[in-house]
Amino acid sequence: EAGVAQSPRYKIIEKRQSVAFWCNPISGHATLYWYQQILGQGPKLLIQFQNNGVVDDSQLPKDRFSAERLKGVDSTLKIQPAKLEDSAVYLCASSLALFNTEAFFGQGTRLTVV
Amino acid sequence: TQLLEQSPQFLSIQEGENLTVYCNSSSVFSSLQWYRQEPGEGPVLLVTVVTGGEVKKLKRLTFQFGDARKDSSLHITAAQPGDTGLYLCLFIGSARQLTFGSGTQLTVLP
Repeated sequence: EAGVAQSPRYKIIEKRQSVAFWCNPISGHATLYWYQQILGQGPKLLIQFQNNGVVDDSQLPKDRFSAERLKGVDSTLKIQPAKLEDSAVYLCASSLALFNTEAFFGQGTRLTVV
Repeated sequence: TQLLEQSPQFLSIQEGENLTVYCNSSSVFSSLQWYRQEPGEGPVLLVTVVTGGEVKKLKRLTFQFGDARKDSSLHITAAQPGDTGLYLCLFIGSARQLTFGSGTQLTVLP
């Protein structure tokens, strides 16, 4: 079974530029998560989708971050404009259903903002 | 807002030693999960604990959920170099709040 696919694996941008990350969850998984993991810290939930609806985006910095999951399958996370403190690994995860708690993670996208 | 503390932050031990990692919350868990993360990879689920006082074993790993559902521990017996990684606890609150601990970076030296 294919796992959660994320791209790109690495991205380096200058501050104030824009960047987008893509995630394709495991087939059939209704719930999709985006996490931000700063070096030396645990992942922080940015946004959680159930199909194409948002369940929780309370920790998403909405002035610069946006995410969508238009067809309830793959998802994109965008940062515009990027700041130095956005440097982190962005992890996508998926699970079968909202109340099925086993989440499967992708390898992540390592973003460096210079 | 719940506070989730994980300790120790770093742990370096010799192969064959035992170790315990702790996760403590200011709020009651609905459930708690333990993950292991290797460099360049996403976290991988080890176990989910749901019931207060629950103990689960996974080979040399023993997971315990406190009776008050506010704390959990992970004990590794006879650690091996392959156990090296970042161990993370994930708090799942009653309203499905998802909060990871800060992680314990374990290094097992051969």
